[in-house]
Amino acid sequence: GQQLNQSPQSMFIQEGEDVSMNCTSSSIFNTWLWYKQDPGEGPVLLIALYKAGELTSNGRLTAQFGITRKDSFLNISASIPSDVGIYFCAGQWDGGSNYKLTFGKGTLLTVNP
Amino acid sequence: DTAVSQTPKYLVTQMGNDKSIKCEQNLGHDTMYWYKQDSKKFLKIMFSYNNKELIINETVPNRFSPKSPDKAHLNLHINSLELGDSAVYFCASSLGTNSYNSPLHFGNGTRLTVT
Repeated sequence: GQQLNQSPQSMFIQEGEDVSMNCTSSSIFNTWLWYKQDPGEGPVLLIALYKAGELTSNGRLTAQFGITRKDSFLNISASIPSDVGIYFCAGQWDGGSNYKLTFGKGTLLTVNP
Repeated sequence: DTAVSQTPKYLVTQMGNDKSIKCEQNLGHDTMYWYKQDSKKFLKIMFSYNNKELIINETVPNRFSPKSPDKAHLNLHINSLELGDSAVYFCASSLGTNSYNSPLHFGNGTRLTVT
């Protein structure tokens, strides 16, 4: 099946720093999604990407759908303490019949105030 | 006015017991899912229903049986619970079965602990 490699596994940064994380796939996707999970809660959608090369921002977050359709990155600028959490990438290939997201293993972000 | 709500939030039970987790969504979505998140935080799909019809059934033991009485509800019943079933189970919903403009919305999870 499809696999996603998400890196880094964890990051420890100082407040105010910029963060970058990425996902690569062994096969192409036509949708990339980025989620954030806070402790004790479910993943919450941050950014959705539907077109190769697409660059989308949501406040301090920016994500891009790689031109090869096999990768995506998420950048967070000027991090703040509430950015702490686990960030997941997820990809979907609709060439199959049904909606089945493949998730990366997550990037645990810690922000030191 | 929680969009996807599941109950209970915590469930502690002994091996061999049977338990159920309930999920409801008020987003008007047609498709609902159950995901399992293991201790390493890996999220894996278990089941998906579209308009009450089962459309995805991953390699999940027969002890797990989903039921969808209507589009807004998807319950998960687990028989003969085993230690390895301990995990966080997430319900999710989406507008349709195609990912375009139809991302998943997750509930807050049910932490199941089997002792």
